[in-house]
Amino acid sequence: QKEVEQDPGPLSVPEGAIVSLNCTYSNSAFQYFMWYRQYSRKGPELLMYTYSSGNKEDGRFTAQVDKSSKYISLFIRDSQPSDSATYLCAMSARNYGQNFVFGPGTRLSVLP
Amino acid sequence: DSGVTQTPKHLITATGQRVTLRCSPRSGDLSVYWYQQSLDQGLQFLIQYYNGEERAKGNILERFSAQQFPDLHSELNLSSLELGDSALYFCASSEGTSEETQYFGPGTRLLVL
Repeated sequence: QKEVEQDPGPLSVPEGAIVSLNCTYSNSAFQYFMWYRQYSRKGPELLMYTYSSGNKEDGRFTAQVDKSSKYISLFIRDSQPSDSATYLCAMSARNYGQNFVFGPGTRLSVLP
Repeated sequence: DSGVTQTPKHLITATGQRVTLRCSPRSGDLSVYWYQQSLDQGLQFLIQYYNGEERAKGNILERFSAQQFPDLHSELNLSSLELGDSALYFCASSEGTSEETQYFGPGTRLLVL
């Protein structure tokens, strides 16, 4: 079992849809949870950063963490074609790189 | 634009050769991280430097090495290159040692023929 799992997609949705992206993980030491967006041939861009369980909202984006289920989600409301990208979850146990892992990414296409 | 710069953008070389990739972190950032991204392996953490010192090591091969200089720029050296080393190499930086808020550069695309 991989340490972090993510549905690779591709996930295609119509413009305006609510998108749900998810990651599951196995290491209970993870405390910090991040979502990155990566456009084709570009570097990942940090979208959201949360600590421990709970929700965090930033504009059209909401990140949810459920540590008891080892499950995190990113919701995108009113999705736009410009949201078409690969979304990577990342997790850290703040053990200086020893436990910092990216998920494989989910490719999202938002169709106009 | 994240503020992290990487050179060169593209690099084509032959097996057995050695290359050097360069990264300049965001102004004020003391930590630099190197990652390799290939289609089948995803984004793999290689190594982290903080203020000139090695801080953490990930899945970095012995043929690869890195350093961070007093001006905080970093170089990743890849030697005895193999076909399988073809990938995107990203540098990221963060303000301190906390790895949660990393800002990535545009990457160097390496092709080994």
